[in-house]
Amino acid sequence: EAQVTQNPRYLITVTGKKLTVTCSQNMNHEYMSWYRQDPGLGLRQIYYSMNVEVTDKGDVPEGYKVSRKEKRNFPLILESPSPNQTSLYFCASLPGGRVGELFFGEGSRLTVL
Amino acid sequence: AQSVTQPDIHITVSEGASLELRCNYSYGATPYLFWYVQSPGQGLQLLLKYFSGDTLVQGIKGFEAEFKRSQSSFNLRKPSVHWSDAAEYFCAVGPSNFGNEKLTFGTGTRLTIIP
Repeated sequence: EAQVTQNPRYLITVTGKKLTVTCSQNMNHEYMSWYRQDPGLGLRQIYYSMNVEVTDKGDVPEGYKVSRKEKRNFPLILESPSPNQTSLYFCASLPGGRVGELFFGEGSRLTVL
Repeated sequence: AQSVTQPDIHITVSEGASLELRCNYSYGATPYLFWYVQSPGQGLQLLLKYFSGDTLVQGIKGFEAEFKRSQSSFNLRKPSVHWSDAAEYFCAVGPSNFGNEKLTFGTGTRLTIIP
């Protein structure tokens, strides 16, 4: 089954404790992206990757890092999480040539205390 | 800069009734427009998209949307809703540049279905 898999789905952590949210897709998509969803703000792009070893900032990259060492994986790293990073995070991938037709993971709800 | 406005935060309709969710956009050129649905606890799923051509587009699950350039709108409609349509709906526009493929999303409309 074609899917984007995120882990963990739920996480409660404390300020400053490094964490990684993993994202993996099995569709061989070159493009992947991370969004965060906050009430009243919709979805905002954090980072994106056009291909392996190619990443760039989205609209709200502060406090986040990403890496793309393999096509299928695109982890989101919070080096020193803060309470304002409490949010619902979505990873998405895009098939080549299909403008805007993003495939989303089920989301990772992160709470930073 | 491109933007999307969904003026209704929450809509409640009766099962079997018709539905229209509003979306207005701001975009510098001919827009690419999308509607996504997010069921509880799930990721977003593409319902339909408009690129060009016929201004009435059909999507999955019996949804349709109409592009009206003069009103900068792309409203989503369904003739008869089912309880399973209860979800949050997002309108999106983009991408602003094809190097990023970023979509700009509205703030969403939560749909509640009552029996």
